[in-house]
Amino acid sequence: QKEVEQNSGPLSVPEGAIASLNCTYSDRGSQSFFWYRQYSGKSPELIMSIYSNGDKEDGRFTAQLNKASQYVSLLIRDSQPSDSATYLCAEDTGRRALTFGSGTRLQVQP
Amino acid sequence: DAGVIQSPRHEVTEMGQEVTLRCKPISGHDYLFWYRQTMMRGLELLIYFNNNVPIDDSGMPEDRFSAKMPNASFSTLKIQPSEPRDSAVYFCASSPPGLGNTIYFGEGSWLTVV
Repeated sequence: QKEVEQNSGPLSVPEGAIASLNCTYSDRGSQSFFWYRQYSGKSPELIMSIYSNGDKEDGRFTAQLNKASQYVSLLIRDSQPSDSATYLCAEDTGRRALTFGSGTRLQVQP
Repeated sequence: DAGVIQSPRHEVTEMGQEVTLRCKPISGHDYLFWYRQTMMRGLELLIYFNNNVPIDDSGMPEDRFSAKMPNASFSTLKIQPSEPRDSAVYFCASSPPGLGNTIYFGEGSWLTVV
């Protein structure tokens, strides 16, 4: 079983809607979590990191962490076609190397 | 500032040939990671270094793969002999000192073994 689970999608949302991306993890020792965005043919780039339970907002993006339920989510408000990409959830179990999920492909329809 | 620099960006090689991928991490970063990405397996950690010392190589698929980091500004990932199943995108990434810091990826080396 993969340590970080994501629905592969595609998740399709209309332009202007809220996109909700979810991720679950199995290691209760995981200390920090990251969301990366990867456009087709490009390298992953960091969107947000979150270390504590609750919400963290950055512009149109909100990351949510619930350690008791072992899930992490990313909300994208006012989705734009340029947000269409694969979103990778990653965990750091304390060894510094990140373990990535397989990613969720998001399609924002104009 | 320059990001993580990888070379070559694209390589096509014949089965059995030796492949060497190169990486220059971001200056000041003390962690260096090699990841491999395929459609089937996603983004997998192969090996990572801290202060030029290999910390965990449990992700290296087999003895055909080796990695070195002779100094803080250079690392190589070598595949010898290469096989078609090694075809993938190989990413090098680096991370600065401190806890919970971000990993920054290079643009990747796209390897095709025919």
